[in-house]
Amino acid sequence: AQKVTQAQTEISVVEKEDVTLDCVYETRDTTYYLFWYKQPPSGELVFLIRRNSFDEQNEISGRYSWNFQKSTSSFNFTITASQVVDSAVYFCALSVVKAAGNKLTFGGGTRVLVKP
Amino acid sequence: DAGVTQSPTHLIKTRGQQVTLRCSPKSGHDTVSWYQQALGQGPQFIFQYYEEEERQRGNFPDRFSGHQFPNYSSELNVNALLLGDSALYLCASSLPQEYTQYFGPGTRLTVL
Repeated sequence: AQKVTQAQTEISVVEKEDVTLDCVYETRDTTYYLFWYKQPPSGELVFLIRRNSFDEQNEISGRYSWNFQKSTSSFNFTITASQVVDSAVYFCALSVVKAAGNKLTFGGGTRVLVKP
Repeated sequence: DAGVTQSPTHLIKTRGQQVTLRCSPKSGHDTVSWYQQALGQGPQFIFQYYEEEERQRGNFPDRFSGHQFPNYSSELNVNALLLGDSALYLCASSLPQEYTQYFGPGTRLTVL
């Protein structure tokens, strides 16, 4: 079985500060994908980034960056120079590569509040 | 390029009733998944449909059933509604070999 844990329930920052969201996952499978989704107050989950289990290279995309460490089963996500529009709930998710389907297992989410 | 659409947006039902929620996938996508999101929690996987068949199912009772049509759209049916079924129901679509799922705006179901 798979499990995703987001220990931070809520983070509050002032605009322009950096925000790092923690994610720890559990799976016995060796091939999997990790995701970050954003859920604004409107409710729709918005896909942000994806990383597969074979690629530990950390990347930066605009104001987003991520740190994938297989040795500690962590997939942390950073928003640089936060803006008020970044206020939302952020979910980390795991999908194991199986022929029978690719369900997403989500963490409990971290609410980010960016104050002006 | 149209994204995932869901209907209705909101729905109010009473205990014991039955409900049907609808989803149209993103253009070109043929795999549809359904998730239940209770207030303050992460989404929980209900089931996934591909080629009009249920391909994968989460830990939900048989009261939850679904269907996929030849045009890849999908329905989620819930029978004998319970108060605990009140939640945001999210539909997501993807390509079978593409692991990124794209979500619709959801249907908020309230059971009184």
